[in-house]
Amino acid sequence: NAGVTQTPKFQVLKTGQSMTLQCAQDMNHEYMSWYRQDPGMGLRLIHYSVGAGITDQGEVPNGYNVSRSTTEDFPLRLLSAAPSQTSVYFCASSYLGLKDNEQFFGPGTRLTVL
Amino acid sequence: ELKVEQNPLFLSMQEEKNYTIYCNYSTTSDRLYWYRQDPGKSLESLFVLLSNGAVKQEGRLMASLDTKARLSTLHITAAVHDLSATYFCAVDRGYLRSGANNLFFGTGTRLTVIP
Repeated sequence: NAGVTQTPKFQVLKTGQSMTLQCAQDMNHEYMSWYRQDPGMGLRLIHYSVGAGITDQGEVPNGYNVSRSTTEDFPLRLLSAAPSQTSVYFCASSYLGLKDNEQFFGPGTRLTVL
Repeated sequence: ELKVEQNPLFLSMQEEKNYTIYCNYSTTSDRLYWYRQDPGKSLESLFVLLSNGAVKQEGRLMASLDTKARLSTLHITAAVHDLSATYFCAVDRGYLRSGANNLFFGTGTRLTVIP
């Protein structure tokens, strides 16, 4: 199993550009999510999904869109990048409904918006 | 709004010493997690604590949970250099509603173990 994979690892954008961060998992997890991590801070939830076709907002959803057309993939779209979106983005996945539930994190995408 | 506070934010300790990291959270929670993050790396799951009084140990790390006080601790025993990392606690509120693992993270404790 590859686990949770993310591409690209690094990206530099100019203000106003759009792009999609890719996330995939091969563990057949129902739950997937996107977090951002800013320097000196913990992770904050952007969007999450509990299954194909179902998405919802987290703590900091503004400026980001998601979709979940398959169980495996959960892309994050930046519609018009802003310097405030400079951050490290982590995708995570887990099973649903298990009480003792471990969430698996991807390696991260480091995004800089100039 | 759920708030998760960790202290200390920075911890420099000598090898072989003991210390505790504290994690306070503001509302009831279903689960509490501890993660480790090495510089430039992803998060590694350490512990999941599910109920009041839960205690889990792995090597030199031991985590406990007091749901009444809304407090979790991560105790480090006889620290070694390899434990140098940032440690995060995270609280999950989503399980009872949808089963979703929506985590709220503390700001992290950067631990440096000095030889």
